[in-house]
Amino acid sequence: LAKTTQPISMDSYEGQEVNITCSHNNIATNDYITWYQQFPSQGPRFIIQGYKTKVTNEVASLFIPADRKSSTLSLPRVSLSDTAVYYCLVGPLNTGFQKLVFGTGTRLLVSP
Amino acid sequence: GAGVSQSPSNKVTEKGKDVELRCDPISGHTALYWYRQRLGQGLEFLIYFQGNSAPDKSGLPSDRFSAERTGESVSTLTIQRTQQEDSAVYLCASSPKQDTDTQYFGPGTRLTVL
Repeated sequence: LAKTTQPISMDSYEGQEVNITCSHNNIATNDYITWYQQFPSQGPRFIIQGYKTKVTNEVASLFIPADRKSSTLSLPRVSLSDTAVYYCLVGPLNTGFQKLVFGTGTRLLVSP
Repeated sequence: GAGVSQSPSNKVTEKGKDVELRCDPISGHTALYWYRQRLGQGLEFLIYFQGNSAPDKSGLPSDRFSAERTGESVSTLTIQRTQQEDSAVYLCASSPKQDTDTQYFGPGTRLTVL
């Protein structure tokens, strides 16, 4: 599975846009990019997933350049409740024995 | 609908004792995963079940760790002769056969080995 690298922590203020970039230089052709959010004392929660270009849902946007060696999770107008750890994962889908390898994630702190 | 549930939510045990952690996946989900998360660290994959196939045990840290799953339902993670380094939150996740990319996580079991 492709190894990912993310910043350890980021700070922001309410109402700002936050962009968290993940590097995955060894991504394989059949790998997808998935982001999870984890609040303290809770299990991770799926946010968004993509393969290339741009994906947007009600929570976030995911930007993936043509070479797919990195991806950026964009959170528009963050609030205090967005304070959490964000994990970037890369791996294939529908392989039967797929498992996701979670790194240390990015700890986002949103202040008033 | 009901999500993934785990029990107990907290478990304190003495070094050398055995513990059993339970996971009830979302009904109909064929895939089930166990992870370990030490304080301030990311998730560490332990074991993966997919339907009736042989489980992927590649993440189990030692032979003191084992897990079972009955069909596509409940799973039990057993840690024998617990050590202090086993202290962590143990998370269970399940995913539907049709959508193996999205994992739905339970709240975890916080294990403390004294």
